[in-house]
Amino acid sequence: DGGITQSPKYLFRKEGQNVTLSCEQNLNHDAMYWYRQDPGQGLRLIYYSQIVNDFQKGDIAEGYSVSREKKESFPLTVTSAQKNPTAFYLCASSSPAGTGNYEQYFGPGTRLTVT
Amino acid sequence: GDSVTQMEGPVTLSEEAFLTINCTYTATGYPSLFWYVQYPGEGLQLLLKATKADDKGSNKGFEATYRKETTSFHLEKGSVQVSDSAAYFCALRSGANSKLTFGKGITLSVRP
Repeated sequence: DGGITQSPKYLFRKEGQNVTLSCEQNLNHDAMYWYRQDPGQGLRLIYYSQIVNDFQKGDIAEGYSVSREKKESFPLTVTSAQKNPTAFYLCASSSPAGTGNYEQYFGPGTRLTVT
Repeated sequence: GDSVTQMEGPVTLSEEAFLTINCTYTATGYPSLFWYVQYPGEGLQLLLKATKADDKGSNKGFEATYRKETTSFHLEKGSVQVSDSAAYFCALRSGANSKLTFGKGITLSVRP
């Protein structure tokens, strides 16, 4: 079955540590995205990548970093510079603009708790 | 810039009640519009979409019509079930970029 996997589902870290969240897709999609979800705030875009080896900052990129070395993978690192890292993180992918298929497909999410 | 406004929640309904969740948008050009559903602890799933004015998206008894004159994409269902309890997000995509702009979402609870 094609889809997006995120691991782990729950992640606990101490303050001051960097942590990397995994996102893998086998949908052959070019574009991938990272969102952060907080209660009552909907989804906010952290970073996105429209093609391998290229990515752009979203609305709340500060304190985060990404890489896109392979089409299938788009890991997100939450650095110690992120002031409030505890949140639910969602990864998504889509076909590139121009294909006529604009919807994004989401992974199951990773809940990160930093204490 | 683009924006999506959803009605304030949460919403609680009895089973078999009629559901309307309002969504209005601001965008340049002619955006594509989406409704996503999120069950507790899970990622988002596409519920329905519409890509041009007057299109009606439908799925699982839910419907929404793309109204360009009122810049709206309200979600409706004639008879909700307990299993419809979830968070619902309206979203749009406009221009050449594949990014989506989401509303804040609304939580629906359906009681038996």
